[in-house]
Amino acid sequence: ELKVEQNPLFLSMQEGKNYTIYCNYSTTSDRLYWYRQDPGKSLESLFVLLSNGAVKQEGRLMASLDTKARLSTLHITAAVHDLSATYFCAVDWVAGNMLTFGGGTRLMVKP
Amino acid sequence: DTEVTQTPKHLVMGMTNKKSLKCEQHMGHRAMYWYKQKAKKPPELMFVYSYEKLSINESVPSRFSPECPNSSLLNLHLHALQPEDSALYLCASSQVDGTEPQHFGDGTRLSIL
Repeated sequence: ELKVEQNPLFLSMQEGKNYTIYCNYSTTSDRLYWYRQDPGKSLESLFVLLSNGAVKQEGRLMASLDTKARLSTLHITAAVHDLSATYFCAVDWVAGNMLTFGGGTRLMVKP
Repeated sequence: DTEVTQTPKHLVMGMTNKKSLKCEQHMGHRAMYWYKQKAKKPPELMFVYSYEKLSINESVPSRFSPECPNSSLLNLHLHALQPEDSALYLCASSQVDGTEPQHFGDGTRLSIL
């Protein structure tokens, strides 16, 4: 059974600071996705990582994938309040669009 | 605007009722999904349809019955649900090869009385 673990589960940070969210998974996979969810809303896709060493950046967010370590990171640079949301990583471990989500990281960025 | 449309947005039903959730997408995706999400928890995969055929059924109780009438539509038929089935039900669609993300609808918030 695939296990996907995110840490931290809750993160409170000041605007302007940097931080990294970690996503570890237990089974070999080279497909990992990051999503954002605002309270009461649906999931918004952020990044698709499809190979070892993949790195994607959009604005203040950068995601990377190390398939050998079974680890993905989501790095936040100079956080702003608008980034406050819950962030999920999801792993497709059978290459059949069968996603298993991590527990989520609830991010609060304070002015 | 979401490209995956779900109806209704909210649904309250008794344990003996029969109702259906509907999902529609016009992005040409041939894979469609149902997820269940409880409050403050991650989404959990329920069903996967690929080319209108059920390919994955995550041991979901038979009181949930999926249907894919065509490549754009996905239904979830509900019957004799339990209070613990109260949750947000999310529909998603994607390309079959998984090289792009799954696109999620806004969900149906279901409450079982």
